[in-house]
Amino acid sequence: EAQVTQNPRYLITVTGKKLTVTCSQNMNHEYMSWYRQDPGLGLRQIYYSMNVEVTDKGDVPEGYKVSRKEKRNFPLILESPSPNQTSLYFCASSGGYTGELFFGEGSRLTVL
Amino acid sequence: KQEVTQIPAALSVPEGENLVLNCSFTDSAIYNLQWFRQDPGKGLTSLLLIQSSQREQTSGRLNASLDKSSGRSTLYIAASQPGDSATYLCAALSSMDSNYQLIWGAGTKLIIKP
Repeated sequence: EAQVTQNPRYLITVTGKKLTVTCSQNMNHEYMSWYRQDPGLGLRQIYYSMNVEVTDKGDVPEGYKVSRKEKRNFPLILESPSPNQTSLYFCASSGGYTGELFFGEGSRLTVL
Repeated sequence: KQEVTQIPAALSVPEGENLVLNCSFTDSAIYNLQWFRQDPGKGLTSLLLIQSSQREQTSGRLNASLDKSSGRSTLYIAASQPGDSATYLCAALSSMDSNYQLIWGAGTKLIIKP
């Protein structure tokens, strides 16, 4: 089954404790992206990747890092999480930047 | 700067009705437009993707249209069912100076009353 898988789905952590949210897709997609969704602010893009070893900042990249060492994986790294990073995070992928976008189920992160 | 607007923010209709959701964009220089549905606390599911050269796309009870000249896309849902209750988002892939950016609407929350 074609899918985008995120882990963990739910996480509560404390300020400053590094964490990684993994994202994996099994559709051989070149394009992958991370979004956060907050009430009243909608979906905002954090980082995206056009292909392996190619990443670019989205609208709200501060406080986040990403890497794209393999085509299927695109982890989101919070080196020192802060409470304002409490949010619902989505990973998405598509066959190209202009193609249909497929989303993961989301990762709800709470930073205390 | 491209802006995407969805009005109304919420809509409640009785089961069985046909309905239209609206999506407006300010700049006609779009590459494509996608409609998604999102169930509470869940991910987004792609419903329909319309390329800029297309006028409409259909999938089952859903029909999406695109009118670039008026800056408008509509999602038509026929014979609505309680299972259609969700938030519907549109996103325009905006092309400017060879750069592409996906611009999102805030969504319309749809409730279908049994």
